[in-house]
Amino acid sequence: NAGVTQTPKFRVLKTGQSMTLLCAQDMNHEYMYWYRQDPGMGLRLIHYSVGEGTTAKGEVPDGYNVSRLKKQNFLLGLESAAPSQTSVYFCASSYVGRPDKQYFGPGTRLTVT
Amino acid sequence: GQQVMQIPQYQHVQEGEDFTTYCNSSTTLSNIQWYKQRPGGHPVFLIQLVKSGEVKKQKRLTFQFGEAKKNSSLHITATQTTDVGTYFCAGPSGSRLTFGEGTQLTVNP
Repeated sequence: NAGVTQTPKFRVLKTGQSMTLLCAQDMNHEYMYWYRQDPGMGLRLIHYSVGEGTTAKGEVPDGYNVSRLKKQNFLLGLESAAPSQTSVYFCASSYVGRPDKQYFGPGTRLTVT
Repeated sequence: GQQVMQIPQYQHVQEGEDFTTYCNSSTTLSNIQWYKQRPGGHPVFLIQLVKSGEVKKQKRLTFQFGEAKKNSSLHITATQTTDVGTYFCAGPSGSRLTFGEGTQLTVNP
């Protein structure tokens, strides 16, 4: 099993460009999450999903959109990137009813210039 | 909303010294989780505490959940260079977690 994978690993964008980050998991998890990690600020939840076709906002959703068309995939979109979105993005997943034990992907390092 | 605070933010120790990080919640928690993130890596689940006053051990790591279920601690005895990383606590909030800011541990050999 590959676990949780993220594509791409690194990306540099110019302000105003758009991109999509892909998260895939092969553990048949219902719950999926997108976090951003900035120095000294821990992990902040952007959006999450408790099942295929459902999404919900987290702590810092502004400037991001998500979609969960397939159970195994969770996409994070940036429509118009801003320098404030420079961060490391982590995807995570967990079994239904077990948000306490999340499995994280390797992360995507995004720089917006 | 729920807030989870951790102290200290950074801790530098000599190899062999002990280390403790503390986690405090603004609300009573049904459980608390601890995660570890190695430098350049991703967070990995370590343990969950559920009961008031619970103490769990994993080799040199001791985890405690406060009697009031509003605080927790992680203590590492005789640190090793393999303990380097950031330790996060996290409290539940429905189908999500609220993470503390983390404590970054460095160990000088």
